This record gives sequence, C-alpha cells and structure tokens, in this order.
Amino acid sequence: NAGVTQTPKFQVLKTGQSMTLQCAQDMNHEYMSWYRQDPGMGLRLIHYSVGAGITDQGEVPNGYNVSRSTTEDFPLRLLSAAPSQTSVYFCASSASRQGSPLHFGNGTRLTVT
Amino acid sequence: EDQVTQSPEALRLQEGESSSLNCSYTVSGLRGLFWYRQDPGKGPEFLFTLYSAGEEKEKERLKATLTKKESFLHITAPKPEDSATYLCAVQAGNYGGSQGNLIFGKGTKLSVKP
Repeated sequence: NAGVTQTPKFQVLKTGQSMTLQCAQDMNHEYMSWYRQDPGMGLRLIHYSVGAGITDQGEVPNGYNVSRSTTEDFPLRLLSAAPSQTSVYFCASSASRQGSPLHFGNGTRLTVT
Repeated sequence: EDQVTQSPEALRLQEGESSSLNCSYTVSGLRGLFWYRQDPGKGPEFLFTLYSAGEEKEKERLKATLTKKESFLHITAPKPEDSATYLCAVQAGNYGGSQGNLIFGKGTKLSVKP
C-alpha cells in the first residue's frame, strides 16, 4: 500500500496564480483532511471531509477550496495565491473521525512570491 | 477553548540520557490523545493513541502515559536515530461542527548526540 500520496512535492507560484494540490489514499479511509504547517505555529486544519460528497471548514479555510468526489481523492485548490499561503501542506486520512489515528502524506512545500 | 501545549520546545540529550517530553491539554471531553514523530521533510508518523487517564503504551525506547491534564513521552536510553520532532494532538469529545478534529501542539524538537 502506498498510504497517502501528495503531489507535487515542491511548488513555486506567483501572487494571484491558482493551483491544485493533489492527495490520494489507498486505505479506503472515510476521513480526510488538509493541514498547513508553519514555523512556530504547529499544524493547523484547513478543510476536512468525513466522506465522499461531504466537506467542511477547519481552523484556517480562507483562500482554499476542497471537494471530495471519491473516497480516494481530496484535492486542495488555492484560488488566488498570496505570500501568506507560503507553507508546507499535509494531507491526512483516517479510518474514522472518532479515535482513529491520522496517516499523513509527506507534504507539499509551497512558496508564493 | 481547546488547547495543547508541549514543553520543552527543544531538548538536547546525550546518547543514553533518559528524559521526558510533556504535553499539557485542556479539552471539553477527551476522546483521544495522539503522539506523532516527524522527521525533517516528512509527514508526521503515528506513534501512540491514549484514551483514558492511567493508560500507558510502549514502543521500543518510548513510553507514553496519560493523566487527566497531561501526557508524557518518556524516552529511555535514547539513540541518535530518535532525533526528531515529537508532536502531541488531542481529539475533543464534542463532534458538533469542527469539534472532533485533532488539535496539535507545536512540538518538541529532540536532538540526541552520540
């Protein structure tokens, strides 16, 4: 099993550009989520999904969109990139929302200039 | 407000020098406390889940314990390969809205010198 796969690993954008960060899991997990990790801030939840067709906002959702059309995929879209979105983005999944550990991908390092 | 505080921010140990990392939390009904290890350039790797006060779990040189207010990650006779950032996260018991999602601490960066 590959677990949680994120692409790309690195990305540089200019302010105002849009892009999609891809996330796929092969564990048939119902719960998926996106976090951003910034120095001194820890991991902060952006959006999450408890199943196909269901998404909701986390702690820092502004500037990001998500959709969940299949159990396996949970892409994160940056609508108009800003320097404040420079960060490392992690996708994670778990078997359920209650008490199950999250399994993380290896992240996408995004720089917005 | 649910909060997780980890201390110290950084810890330097000599190989073989045992120590503990602390995770203090305030949540409205704890559903679970999770410990993760994160190596540079990698995603967090799951270590333990603790569900109730008094519970303990062990894996190699690591032992996690839980009380009603905090958790400790004890590292016995550490080796250089134990060097990493250790993250603590809690899951609150109320699943309304965004509750039920994991709340992470900022981590403790552990360095073990040979």
